[in-house]
Amino acid sequence: KAGVTQTPRYLIKTRGQQVTLSCSPISGHRSVSWYQQTPGQGLQFLFEYFSETQRNKGNFPGRFSGRQFSNSRSEMNVSTLELGDSALYLCASSPGPTDTQYFGPGTRLTVL
Amino acid sequence: AQSVTQLDSQVPVFEEAPVELRCNYSSSVSVYLFWYVQYPNQGLQLLLKYLSGSTLVESINGFEAEFNKSQTSFHLRKPSVHISDTAEYFCAVTGRYGGATNKLIFGTGTLLAVQP
Repeated sequence: KAGVTQTPRYLIKTRGQQVTLSCSPISGHRSVSWYQQTPGQGLQFLFEYFSETQRNKGNFPGRFSGRQFSNSRSEMNVSTLELGDSALYLCASSPGPTDTQYFGPGTRLTVL
Repeated sequence: AQSVTQLDSQVPVFEEAPVELRCNYSSSVSVYLFWYVQYPNQGLQLLLKYLSGSTLVESINGFEAEFNKSQTSFHLRKPSVHISDTAEYFCAVTGRYGGATNKLIFGTGTLLAVQP
C-alpha cells in the first residue's frame, strides 16, 4: 500500500497570505489528523477528522482550519500567515479514530 | 489529560554500545503508548507500540520498550546501536477512552547520536 502523501512538500509564503496543505491518507484509512512541528513547541496536535467530521481540535487560533472530503483526503488551511506559522506540518492517517496513526513526510512551510 | 516527559534531549553513544531512551508519562486514564522515529527532513515512522497484553514490545530492527504502569514509564532500549540509528526519537501517548479521538501527545524528543 502507498503511504500517506502530502502536497506540496515545501512552501514559501509571506506574512498575511493564506495557504492550503493537502493530505491523502493510506487507502482504506478514514481518520486523518494534523500536527504542527516547530523547534520551540515540538509536536502539537492541530485537529482530527473522521468521516468528514472534525472530532477534536487542538489549541490553535481560528486562522487554522481544516476539512475532510468523502474520499478521506484532507486539507488544512492557514489564513493571515504569521512568521510563527513556519513549521513542518504533518498529516497522519489511521483506519479509525482509535487506531495507530501513520505519518506522511510533512509539508515544510516557511513564512517570510 | 495526558503528558509525556523525555528527560534526555540528546543521547550520544558509540556504535555497538547499548542505549536506553527514557520516557515517562502521566495520565488520569489508561493509555496507549508509542515510539516514533524521525530521520532528518522526514516525517515520523512508527517504531513500536503498546496497546495491551505483554508489557514488553519489540520492533523489527532490534529496539524494544517495556510498559511499566507503576513507574508510568515506557523506556526504549537497544542492546547494540548502529550508525544508521542516528535520528530523533519521540515518545507519544493517547488516552484509552471508548470511542474517543486519536489525539497523540508527544514528548519533546531525544536525539540519538551514534558515533563510530
